Amino acid sequence: DTGVSQDPRHKITKRGQNVTFRCDPISEHNRLYWYRQTLGQGPEFLTYFQNEAQLEKSRLLSDRFSAERPKGSFSTLEIQRTEQGDSAMYLCASSLGTGFNGYTFGSGTRLTVV
Amino acid sequence: GQQLNQSPQSMFIQEGEDVSMNCTSSSIFNTWLWYKQEPGEGPVLLIALYKAGELTSNGRLTAQFGITRKDSFLNISASIPSDVGIYFCAGLNFGNEKLTFGTGTRLTIIP
Repeated sequence: DTGVSQDPRHKITKRGQNVTFRCDPISEHNRLYWYRQTLGQGPEFLTYFQNEAQLEKSRLLSDRFSAERPKGSFSTLEIQRTEQGDSAMYLCASSLGTGFNGYTFGSGTRLTVV
Repeated sequence: GQQLNQSPQSMFIQEGEDVSMNCTSSSIFNTWLWYKQEPGEGPVLLIALYKAGELTSNGRLTAQFGITRKDSFLNISASIPSDVGIYFCAGLNFGNEKLTFGTGTRLTIIP
């Protein structure tokens, strides 16, 4: 197992377009998390899944954002009608059980909205 | 969203020097975590702390969980070039799965 995998690594899109990112967690991990990191800041929580159930969403996750984990394995994060303020690194992480051992992050998808 | 305060924001040191950084919060956490992030990569866990007053080491890294539960400290001894990066603290509470991260300390080693 090579860890948490995110695709694509980089995405440049025009304002108003929709984008979708994919995360493949470590195979035996049942919890999956999405974070957003803007330049010069620490990551901020967006949402998390236990298996296929989305259990918590941050207020940062506006109605233009939707996340799914249909079979409890990989997850997708879609942003509709992108805005320049959506430009950030989108990080995915996974854990087996609770996150108290510190979850494993992927390398992220860097989104640039032009 | 809330971010924890880390200081200093950045450090410029020479190879071989020791490094100290800290993280403070206005609220209590049950668990403190320290991560390192390199350019273009996700954060990598360095040390996890679970008990107030706990002191834990990982090689040249030592971290402490403050007794008030509102702060944590990270020390790096005898720094080497591969220590360059941004160090983040993060707090976590029981029953709440989201990590609250600090603002980061950027470490640069001057040749």
